[in-house]
Amino acid sequence: DIQMTQSPSSLSASVGDRVTITCRASQSIGSYLNWYQQRPGKAPKLLIYAASRLQSGVPSRFSGSGSGTDFTLTISSLQPEDFATYYCQQSFITPPYTFGQGTKLDTK
Amino acid sequence: QVLLVQSGAEVKKPGASVNISCKASGYTFTSYYILWVRQAPGRGLEWVGIINPSGGSTTYAQKFQGRVTVTRDTSTSTLYMELSSLRSEDTAVYYCARRGYSSYYFYMDVWGKGTTVTVSS
Repeated sequence: DIQMTQSPSSLSASVGDRVTITCRASQSIGSYLNWYQQRPGKAPKLLIYAASRLQSGVPSRFSGSGSGTDFTLTISSLQPEDFATYYCQQSFITPPYTFGQGTKLDTK
Repeated sequence: QVLLVQSGAEVKKPGASVNISCKASGYTFTSYYILWVRQAPGRGLEWVGIINPSGGSTTYAQKFQGRVTVTRDTSTSTLYMELSSLRSEDTAVYYCARRGYSSYYFYMDVWGKGTTVTVSS
């Protein structure tokens, strides 16, 4: 199975900051990488699919990049509603549908 | 509006079974696979299984093989997940999610609100 590893596991930042979260796959997955945001007590929400394609309705401050094994999620200017946990998920070889362990973004 | 509406919270004793429902609306039910994903308290997301609502075929995570059954009722556009032989480690929020697609890319684009299952004696 493909393993997904995110870094960091947690991150403290302030409103207005530029934030980058990294996801690494245990083998090459092309661009088959999705990003989700999960606010406390809520279901996950799709942000980005195919590594860099913004899901409809998601603010443009979110962007994704990468291919192969290394990927990044960037928030260009952090807003109060962005403090949440972020997960990557590979869709190259499924099943299984494997997620990263999550990155918790909280206020500094 | 595309929606997945899940059944309410459950409290079960160890060894019992739980059956969770997920009612889909706002799209053609048979056109999208549905996944089940769970999240234990304070933990990450874990895939449980997937069903093709069109033919009913399923695939389960190896960890849950033999304990989980996912079914669907096309007449009511409802999916069901049954987990048996419950243990305390099964305490989690269980989500159903639609597998959306664009070309060959698949992703979970619509999620239910989740069903909390608590296993306690």
